[in-house]
Amino acid sequence: KAGVTQTPRYLIKTRGQQVTLSCSPISGHRSVSWYQQTPGQGLQFLFEYFSETQRNKGNFPGRFSGRQFSNSRSEMNVSTLELGDSALYLCASSLVQQGWANTEAFFGQGTRLTVV
Amino acid sequence: AQSVTQPDIHITVSEGASLELRCNYSYGATPYLFWYVQSPGQGLQLLLKYFSGDTLVQGIKGFEAEFKRSQSSFNLRKPSVHWSDAAEYFCAVGLTGTASKLTFGTGTRLQVTL
Repeated sequence: KAGVTQTPRYLIKTRGQQVTLSCSPISGHRSVSWYQQTPGQGLQFLFEYFSETQRNKGNFPGRFSGRQFSNSRSEMNVSTLELGDSALYLCASSLVQQGWANTEAFFGQGTRLTVV
Repeated sequence: AQSVTQPDIHITVSEGASLELRCNYSYGATPYLFWYVQSPGQGLQLLLKYFSGDTLVQGIKGFEAEFKRSQSSFNLRKPSVHWSDAAEYFCAVGLTGTASKLTFGTGTRLQVTL
């Protein structure tokens, strides 16, 4: 069974540009969450999508947005990039079942974004 | 607001020695608790999780963790560390079993000496 796939793995962008990152969840998983990981701030929750709807959102500016498609694949977009957006962006997918004991989240390997 | 504290930024142990990584949390309700491991340049791998029931939970790679409600702690242990366990370890709390709105600790970097 394929894991969570994030593309691209590495990306270099210039300040002011925009970027789109992609996440393909494990087959059958409908919940996709995104995280930003930086040395200074650690792991911070961006947002969660479930069945094409944003269900939860973290404390990030509106420059950070996302969407989910009918096949559960998700994209996140960052507009007007700033140097501080340089980070490892991780996505995780979950098979949501009744009774949380059977629910697990699986993370992808991440996309390393460098803004220059 | 919820928070997770991992008081040890860096720990060094000898291969074969026992390991305990500390995690304390502050949460308004009974949380779902997780330990993740991250190797350099990689994503997060779930080691174990606690939702309810037996407070001693077993995970992968020989790890276990004990939930102590009175101490708001969820410490990770391993009886005998292997060199391949060198990585960064993150404790996290959440409201559900999914990866949604997890609050992570700052991580503990484990170094294993031979």
